[in-house]
Amino acid sequence: EDQVTQSPEALRLQEGESSSLNCSYTVSGLRGLFWYRQDPGKGPEFLFTLYSAGEEKEKERLKATLTKKESFLHITAPKPEDSATYLCAVQARGAQKLVFGQGTRLTINP
Amino acid sequence: EAQVTQNPRYLITVTGKKLTVTCSQNMNHEYMSWYRQDPGLGLRQIYYSMNVEVTDKGDVPEGYKVSRKEKRNFPLILESPSPNQTSLYFCASSFRNRGRAGDEQYFGPGTRLTVT
Repeated sequence: EDQVTQSPEALRLQEGESSSLNCSYTVSGLRGLFWYRQDPGKGPEFLFTLYSAGEEKEKERLKATLTKKESFLHITAPKPEDSATYLCAVQARGAQKLVFGQGTRLTINP
Repeated sequence: EAQVTQNPRYLITVTGKKLTVTCSQNMNHEYMSWYRQDPGLGLRQIYYSMNVEVTDKGDVPEGYKVSRKEKRNFPLILESPSPNQTSLYFCASSFRNRGRAGDEQYFGPGTRLTVT
């Protein structure tokens, strides 16, 4: 069964304090790994897709990386507006369905 | 603007009163899906549709129905809502098998449903 585990559940940082969020996954052949950002009461907002081990994608203060077993979302010098829940999801080869992790709730204090 | 829309955004209803939550996308996506999100349980798929007139159950389909008569619309129907269907609902859509690995899904703004 495809599975995604995210850690930590919650992370509180000071503004400017860099850190990483982890997404561990097991999937029967990876077709894609996705990162989303979700603000309270809103729909998940697509951030990145990663397809193969070694791949990296960047957007502003965020960088996503992928290995064969996990993905990291690195956040560099975060600002309070980066506070949100970050969701990781995988799509298996031959499937259309996304399997989501529980998310990491990130809070950036000014 | 490319988007997924849902209506209503908020709904309070009583047990047993049939309701429909609408979902529409303007991106010509083949694939559409409904999720519910509950604290501690994350996003769980209710139903999905690979194209017009093609629908199938997700992980938690009990108590729900869907239809896909047009490519852009994918309504979620609760024929006899119960309190355990109180949740935050999201519709999502994506292209299907575009020849590249992975099809990112785009989500609507959500519908918060309370069943008393």
